[in-house]
Amino acid sequence: DIQLTQSPSFLSASVGDRVTITCRASQGISSDLAWYQQKPGKAPKLLIYAASTLQTGVPSRFSGSGSGTEFTLTISSLQPEDFATYYCQQLNSYPRTFGQGTKLEIK
Amino acid sequence: EVQLVESGGGLVQPGGSLRLSCEASGFTFSDHYMDWVRRAPGKGLEWVGRTRKKANSYTTEYAASVRGRFTISRDDSKSSLYLQMNSLKTEDTAVYYCARVRGVLVGSDYMDVWGEGTTVTVSS
Repeated sequence: DIQLTQSPSFLSASVGDRVTITCRASQGISSDLAWYQQKPGKAPKLLIYAASTLQTGVPSRFSGSGSGTEFTLTISSLQPEDFATYYCQQLNSYPRTFGQGTKLEIK
Repeated sequence: EVQLVESGGGLVQPGGSLRLSCEASGFTFSDHYMDWVRRAPGKGLEWVGRTRKKANSYTTEYAASVRGRFTISRDDSKSSLYLQMNSLKTEDTAVYYCARVRGVLVGSDYMDVWGEGTTVTVSS
């Protein structure tokens, strides 16, 4: 199975900050990666697919990059509604594994 | 409005069975692969499995943790997805989400629509 390791697991930041979350795959997965956001008690929401393509309706302050084994999710200027847990998921082989998550908290 | 609504969660004893349902509306259900994903208390998301569509013979994929115990099926005439869970363990306690898969090609099969989830508790 492909393992995904996100760093950091916890991140404390302020409104307006620029933050970056990294997702590393245990083997190369081309650009077969998606990012999701989940808020407490809510369903996950797709943010980015194909490593860097923004899902329709997602604010442009979110961006993704990377290929192979290293990927990043960047939020250019944190807004209050962005405090949530973020997950990467690989779409290259079965099982379709997720990273362990990064919880983004308000400083 | 595109929507997925799960049902069937509840409290079940270890070793028991439960069947979850997911009813889709607002899109052509039969055109899509469908996934189940779960989130255990205090843990992250775990992909449970997938059913492909009729053109792909409704074939399925499962995570190792549920293979042989869980079965995913669908009824396109009812726009419904199912998860039959047998031999349940305490570690299967989680919120279970169904999700629509956007594409069929490797790398394009991300989940773009999610239900709100149904809670399964396995406890004696």
